[in-house]
Amino acid sequence: QKEVEQDPGPLSVPEGAIVSLNCTYSNSAFQYFMWYRQYSRKGPELLMYTYSSGNKEDGRFTAQVDKSSKYISLFIRDSQPSDSATYLCAMRARGYSTLTFGKGTMLLVSP
Amino acid sequence: ETGVTQSPTHLIKTRGQQVTLRCSSQSGHNTVSWYQQALGQGPQFIFQYYREEENGRGNFPPRFSGLQFPNYSSELNVNALELDDSALYLCASSSGTSGRATWYEQFFGPGTRLTVL
Repeated sequence: QKEVEQDPGPLSVPEGAIVSLNCTYSNSAFQYFMWYRQYSRKGPELLMYTYSSGNKEDGRFTAQVDKSSKYISLFIRDSQPSDSATYLCAMRARGYSTLTFGKGTMLLVSP
Repeated sequence: ETGVTQSPTHLIKTRGQQVTLRCSSQSGHNTVSWYQQALGQGPQFIFQYYREEENGRGNFPPRFSGLQFPNYSSELNVNALELDDSALYLCASSSGTSGRATWYEQFFGPGTRLTVL
């Protein structure tokens, strides 16, 4: 079992839909959770950064962490074609700086 | 504030050759991490440098080596290239304080796409 599991997709939705992206993990030491967006042939761009359990909202994006279930989510409201990209979850343990990534989910938002 | 930059953008090498990739960290950051991202995969951690010292290494063979310079820029060197080394190589910078084990978000550069023929 990989430390971080993420469905690679692709996930296709119409413009304006609510998108739900998810990751599960096995390492209970992970305490910091991140979502990165990566456009084709570009480097990952940090979208959301969350510590421990709970919710965090930033504009159209909401990140949720459920440490008891080892499950994290990213919700995108009112999705736009410009949101079409690969979304990577990443996590790290307290006191460590190295990141463990999921495989990424490819999202396609059609006009 | 200047972001993370990497050079070159693209590189084509043949099996057995050696390659050096370069990274300039974001202003104010003292830590550089290198990742390998194969097609369709998430980034895999190679190693990290904090204040010119290696500060952790992933599951990569010794032919992957690195350096960090006093200005916190960094190099990744790969010897004896193999076909499986073809990937996007990402550099990420962050700031940290090892004494209190405090680390902050990593910001990625655009990557160097290496093709090994």
